[in-house]
Amino acid sequence: EPEVTQTPSHQVTQMGQEVILRCVPISNHLYFYWYRQILGQKVEFLVSFYNNEISEKSEIFDDQFSVERPDGSNFTLKIRSTKLEDSAMYFCASSDGTEAFFGQGTRLTVV
Amino acid sequence: AQTVTQSQPEMSVQEAETVTLSCTYDTSESDYYLFWYKQPPSRQMILVIRQEAYKQQNATENRFSVNFQKAAKSFSLKISDSQLGDAAMYFCAYPRGSTLGRLYFGRGTQLTVWP
Repeated sequence: EPEVTQTPSHQVTQMGQEVILRCVPISNHLYFYWYRQILGQKVEFLVSFYNNEISEKSEIFDDQFSVERPDGSNFTLKIRSTKLEDSAMYFCASSDGTEAFFGQGTRLTVV
Repeated sequence: AQTVTQSQPEMSVQEAETVTLSCTYDTSESDYYLFWYKQPPSRQMILVIRQEAYKQQNATENRFSVNFQKAAKSFSLKISDSQLGDAAMYFCAYPRGSTLGRLYFGRGTQLTVWP
């Protein structure tokens, strides 16, 4: 069964460093998303991506965040200068327009 | 603004028994979808069941069914014959837009299943 895969499963980084979270969506999907879940809180939408551009972003998705689909298969989330409050689980999702399929998540710990 | 409310932070059920998780939502749209996602300890988000608002019939997937009350904007999940593997965090979600991937989530209900 096709699935969304995310790497790494766990990333530890120092405050102020840049991180790139990687996702491989399901191959025939056209819509891609990033979500964030701070420990103990609900899952929050960050950004959606379609046709090689951002289609929607939340107020959380400020200038320190960027997304890219560099090679037609990977979908990345870059956090330019990490803060302690960026520590969270980050989920990638892809959709064919009928439902969203989520990856297993990347746990980001900023120290 | 769309909101999703899950009023039960925690629920517990005995194995083989039935449990119902509550969800209410707010929308001004007439045609939409609703989802329940399960998040086990592995933290992966797994779709459990979906309901299309224009369908009057409640969705069912094996032991999982919903009680969809459109006028009351209520979307509860019933788990029958509960199993130990059902223990997880359950999120109700409402999509905005036509692609069904831009989701508003409730705060979740942590379900414990006792043997």
